[in-house]
Amino acid sequence: GAVVSQHPSRVICKSGTSVKIECRSLDFQATTMFWYRQFPKKSLMLMATSNEGSKATYEQGVEKDKFLINHASLTLSTLTVTSAHPEDSSFYICSARDGDRENTIYFGEGSWLTVV
Amino acid sequence: GQNIDQPTEMTATEGAIVQINCTYQTSGFNGLFWYQQHAGEAPTFLSYNVLDGLEEKGRFSSFLSRSKGYSYLLLKELQMKDSASYLCAVKDSNYQLIWGAGTKLIIKP
Repeated sequence: GAVVSQHPSRVICKSGTSVKIECRSLDFQATTMFWYRQFPKKSLMLMATSNEGSKATYEQGVEKDKFLINHASLTLSTLTVTSAHPEDSSFYICSARDGDRENTIYFGEGSWLTVV
Repeated sequence: GQNIDQPTEMTATEGAIVQINCTYQTSGFNGLFWYQQHAGEAPTFLSYNVLDGLEEKGRFSSFLSRSKGYSYLLLKELQMKDSASYLCAVKDSNYQLIWGAGTKLIIKP
């Protein structure tokens, strides 16, 4: 099946710094990628929809200046958490839509962010 | 509003069969997905239904009735590794995924 790779899987950063998470579709081109956040024992929360070559569409309540999304190519989207705070600590998951496989969504492995 | 309902938790015995139900009310329908998520990991794709009926894939099957706004995921010959959360998601008329809260499945020996 289709593979989506997310990196890093775990990252610890200091408060006030920025951290970048990469999401790559390895064997298909993804014009649309999604970024989710998941709190413990909670369902996935969509943060933004990333479209290749255009600005991301953010969900209500998500700060676009804090969570910078760049979808520079058909296989790569990045999420940058800027000026991180401890409350940004969470599990961040990306997914990509495969237009050749009935628009099925495939997920990356997720990235655990801990801000200390 | 849009709503996806799944049971919060289910318990089943190793080797048995379990059916996880999902009902939905969404603005439009463009397919229903089932995902498996082990604790601390990202979801993995299990099945996709867009037409009514049963889709079988090994030990897992998924059923859809669009007229009833209803789907189920059937797991046969349960194994301990099947202990996980199972997420139902519907693609609405805007092709946005609407997520259920997930069903935590506990398998007992």
